[in-house]
Amino acid sequence: QVQLVQSGAEVKKPGASVKVSCKTSGFTFITYDINWVRQATGQGLEWMGWMNPDSGNTDYAQKFQGRVTMTRNTSISTAYMELSSLRSEDTAVYYCVRRGNSPDYWGQGSLVTVSP
Amino acid sequence: DIQMTQSPSTLSASVGDRVTITCRASQSISSWVAWYQQKPGTAPELLIYDASNLQSGVPSRFSGSGSGTEFTLTISSLQPDDSATYYCQQYNSITWTFGQGTKVEVK
Repeated sequence: QVQLVQSGAEVKKPGASVKVSCKTSGFTFITYDINWVRQATGQGLEWMGWMNPDSGNTDYAQKFQGRVTMTRNTSISTAYMELSSLRSEDTAVYYCVRRGNSPDYWGQGSLVTVSP
Repeated sequence: DIQMTQSPSTLSASVGDRVTITCRASQSISSWVAWYQQKPGTAPELLIYDASNLQSGVPSRFSGSGSGTEFTLTISSLQPDDSATYYCQQYNSITWTFGQGTKVEVK
């Protein structure tokens, strides 16, 4: 069955970087786009960007341009999202989402806490 | 960017009631709309895709309709397990946007 399993919770200091992984299984990794969405506590859903795992092409939301990098390792069917220059407002749960014809499967989420 | 305006922000209804949530897009997005249910501490779960297609395994009391700029999620007979927050999402372009969410309370 389709699974997207994300890395565990992280605590980072302001100014640091965090890299979240999304290990996939149950489907051919390179045939589905991977998107990243985040959700601050008690808040709504915010799209961060998109990656084509086959080509490595990416597109990022303007808000995160210059701070986010999405990559992949096709040999282990894993996508990564790295966010740099962290600030307290980046404290959130980060989700990877598979998109075929429509967004369908979500990872379980990775909590990133930014705190001095 | 395409904006998705979702209403109401909260609603309270009784078991068995028919419930409707609406999303309006700032420009035409054909039928590229999904609806999700999210319970506290869990990832959103896909209910409806392409505006009106029921995701496999989702109870048939959930339905979606609309195209262009107006979209609706309907729960035909509200159940206690439907207490959750519901989000619409557009995926007309590479850039996704979400509605603000509707918190549904079951009395």
